[in-house]
Amino acid sequence: EPEVTQTPSHQVTQMGQEVILRCVPISNHLYFYWYRQILGQKVEFLVSFYNNEISEKSEIFDDQFSVERPDGSNFTLKIRSTKLEDSAMYFCASRDLGRDNEQFFGPGTRLTVL
Amino acid sequence: AQTVTQSQPEMSVQEAETVTLSCTYDTSESDYYLFWYKQPPSRQMILVIRQEAYKQQNATENRFSVNFQKAAKSFSLKISDSQLGDAAMYFCAYRVLNEKLTFGTGTRLTIIP
Repeated sequence: EPEVTQTPSHQVTQMGQEVILRCVPISNHLYFYWYRQILGQKVEFLVSFYNNEISEKSEIFDDQFSVERPDGSNFTLKIRSTKLEDSAMYFCASRDLGRDNEQFFGPGTRLTVL
Repeated sequence: AQTVTQSQPEMSVQEAETVTLSCTYDTSESDYYLFWYKQPPSRQMILVIRQEAYKQQNATENRFSVNFQKAAKSFSLKISDSQLGDAAMYFCAYRVLNEKLTFGTGTRLTIIP
């Protein structure tokens, strides 16, 4: 069964450093999403991406964040200068066209900022 | 703005018994989708069940069923014959058409052997 994959599973970085979180969505999916979950809290939407552009972003997704689909298979989230409060689980999700289709989540990347 | 409320931060149930998790939501839309996700300690998000608002019939998936009350904006999850593997965080979520998922704050379910 096709699945969304994410790498790395755990990333540790120093405050101020740049990180890139990688996702490989399911191959025929056209909508892509990033969500984050701070430990013990709810899952929050960051950004959605369709047709090679951002379709919606939350107030969390400020200028420090960017997304890219560099090669038609990967979907990346970059945090330019990490802060302590960026420590969280980051989930990628993808969805096919069609209003009834659900989002499939990847296993997440745990980001720890020291 | 759409909001999803889970008023039970924690619930517990005896193994083999039935438990109901509550969820309410606020929206001005008439066409939307509702979901229950399970998050075990691995933190993977696993879809348990979904309900399309345009369908009057409540969704069921094996031991999992929902009580969808559209007028009351209520969407509860019933787990029958609870098993130890059902222990997890459960998140209620809402989506309009092609848009993002909006999640509730979750309910931690403990199964008592």
